[in-house]
Amino acid sequence: GEEVAQTPKHLVRGEGQKAKLYCAPIKGHSYVFWYQQVLKNEFKFLISFQNENVFDETGMPKERFSAKCLPNSPCSLEIQATKLEDSAVYFCASSQLPAGENTGELFFGEGSRLTVL
Amino acid sequence: DAKTTQPPSMDCAEGRAANLPCNHSTISGNEYVYWYRQIHSQGPQYIIHGLKNNETNEMASLIITEDRKSSTLILPHATLRDTAVYYCIVTGSSNTGKLIFGQGTTLQVKP
Repeated sequence: GEEVAQTPKHLVRGEGQKAKLYCAPIKGHSYVFWYQQVLKNEFKFLISFQNENVFDETGMPKERFSAKCLPNSPCSLEIQATKLEDSAVYFCASSQLPAGENTGELFFGEGSRLTVL
Repeated sequence: DAKTTQPPSMDCAEGRAANLPCNHSTISGNEYVYWYRQIHSQGPQYIIHGLKNNETNEMASLIITEDRKSSTLILPHATLRDTAVYYCIVTGSSNTGKLIFGQGTTLQVKP
């Protein structure tokens, strides 16, 4: 598609439950990025993929968070045993090249809002 | 950590030019300056980017100083719909392509 599609738009989980978010990148884009926005103006990079391979996972919490990008499937971000502090908007972005290359524009989805009660 | 410094907020009158400054004194030779904005709670939107030369597109102009230590994003005729948080981001291949967002500048366009 021509847009980054994120589902669901809203997700509510009780503390300790699992949450799984999905992202369909723009067709033809090789790179996928996940970001977490907890407070307004504060984006935290989580992980990026080059096709199905992890490209950079320096922002991923060591526990409870995992992500995958499998061929012919939307990418996913999964949080096991959610905590109150995981409440945030999770943004996915895709690009043809990594940002920093001359055509490395990232296209962002509209985000998935996770609320942990 | 973000490598840029921006004022936390600015106001601009509708129809006037909005000039948003950004300091990036530690930028290295192969790093680009990118500008994104976030309108309300939508996903960030790409505006423009540059390496050394000034750039212009249908949305904005980017002026980069000769020493590359600072830049200015110019919205030539701001409208109410330009009210957003504007992020200046410096990145290059050494960052593996990720954008590191700072606090940004909240631009309020007033009628």
